[in-house]
Amino acid sequence: QKEVEQDPGPLSVPEGAIVSLNCTYSNSAFQYFMWYRQYSRKGPELLMYTYSSGNKEDGRFTAQVDKSSKYISLFIRDSQPSDSATYLCAMSAGSGNTGKLIFGQGTTLQVKP
Amino acid sequence: SQTIHQWPATLVQPVGSPLSLECTVEGTSNPNLYWYRQAAGRGLQLLFYSVGIGQISSEVPQNLSASRPQDRQFILSSKKLLLSDSGFYLCAWSVLPETQYFGPGTRLLVL
Repeated sequence: QKEVEQDPGPLSVPEGAIVSLNCTYSNSAFQYFMWYRQYSRKGPELLMYTYSSGNKEDGRFTAQVDKSSKYISLFIRDSQPSDSATYLCAMSAGSGNTGKLIFGQGTTLQVKP
Repeated sequence: SQTIHQWPATLVQPVGSPLSLECTVEGTSNPNLYWYRQAAGRGLQLLFYSVGIGQISSEVPQNLSASRPQDRQFILSSKKLLLSDSGFYLCAWSVLPETQYFGPGTRLLVL
């Protein structure tokens, strides 16, 4: 079993839809949870990060962490064609000073005009 | 502000040839540095990380090596490339456990 599971998609939605992206994990030591957006042939861009459980909102994006279920989500409201990209979840136990992240496989999202 | 550079952007190399990819970070001091490889349609695989000059940890056995000759410089090398070394190589830096920032990447094709 992989430490982090993420449905690769692809996920196709019409413009303006609410998008839900999810990851599950198995390591209860994870405390830091991140979402990255990666456009084709580009490096990943950090979208949001959260510590422990709870919600965090930034504009049209909301990140949720449910540590009891080992489940994290990213919601995109009013999706735009420019949101079309691969979304990667990542997490870290944060122990020590290595800062190593464990990544999901990534979900490819296409928002159609 | 901090920036991270990688070069070259694209590289086509024959099997058995050497490799040197360079990554530099500006605007921060004593960052942790990372090399990842991303194969087509797959997630990121951590290859090496470094918490300081000359300190390199390898995550997977392979014919690649890494070096950190200066605080903000990270180099990925190989003496003889294999076909399986093809991929998208990404360098990243962090100073906090919850944030890691990536460079633009180098696309390597080994023929």
